[in-house]
Amino acid sequence: KAGVTQTPRYLIKTRGQQVTLSCSPISGHRSVSWYQQTPGQGLQFLFEYFSETQRNKGNFPGRFSGRQFSNSRSEMNVSTLELGDSALYLCASSLADMNTEAFFGQGTRLTVV
Amino acid sequence: QKEVEQNSGPLSVPEGAIASLNCTYSDRVSQSFFWYRQYSGKSPELIMSIYSNGDKEDGRFTAQLNKASQYVSLLIRDSQPSDSATYLCAVNTGFQKLVFGTGTRLLVSP
Repeated sequence: KAGVTQTPRYLIKTRGQQVTLSCSPISGHRSVSWYQQTPGQGLQFLFEYFSETQRNKGNFPGRFSGRQFSNSRSEMNVSTLELGDSALYLCASSLADMNTEAFFGQGTRLTVV
Repeated sequence: QKEVEQNSGPLSVPEGAIASLNCTYSDRVSQSFFWYRQYSGKSPELIMSIYSNGDKEDGRFTAQLNKASQYVSLLIRDSQPSDSATYLCAVNTGFQKLVFGTGTRLLVSP
């Protein structure tokens, strides 16, 4: 069974640009969550999607957005990049239930210069 | 008060010993709790989940949950150098939102 796939693995962007990251969940998983990991703040929840609907959102500015497609694949977008957006962005997939296990992809390492 | 607290370590144990990792959480209504292992430069890997009070064993790993004390722990028996990693405690606070502790770095010396 294939795991969670995130693309691309690495990205270098310039301040002010925008970026789109992609996540394909484990087959059969309908919930996709996104997290940001930095050395200073640790792992922080961005948002969660289920059936193309955002069910939960973390405490991040509106520059961070996401969406989910009918095949459960998800994308997140960061606009007007700032240096502080440099981080490892992780996607996790889960079955539909509220409290089930979440499995992470390899992550996308974003560097903003 | 942080929602999920862990001692950052490092926790150093000799090979073959038992490593004990602890975590406290603040949200009393949380229903599910997880331990992830993260090697440097890698993504978190789920190693244990626990939903009810008591112990849950899986191989060399035992997770313990005490909801009254809002406390979760992970025991690693017969620790191996390959267990050296950061261990993250996570609490599901609803709609698959996981709140993570800062992680405990475990060092197992040969």
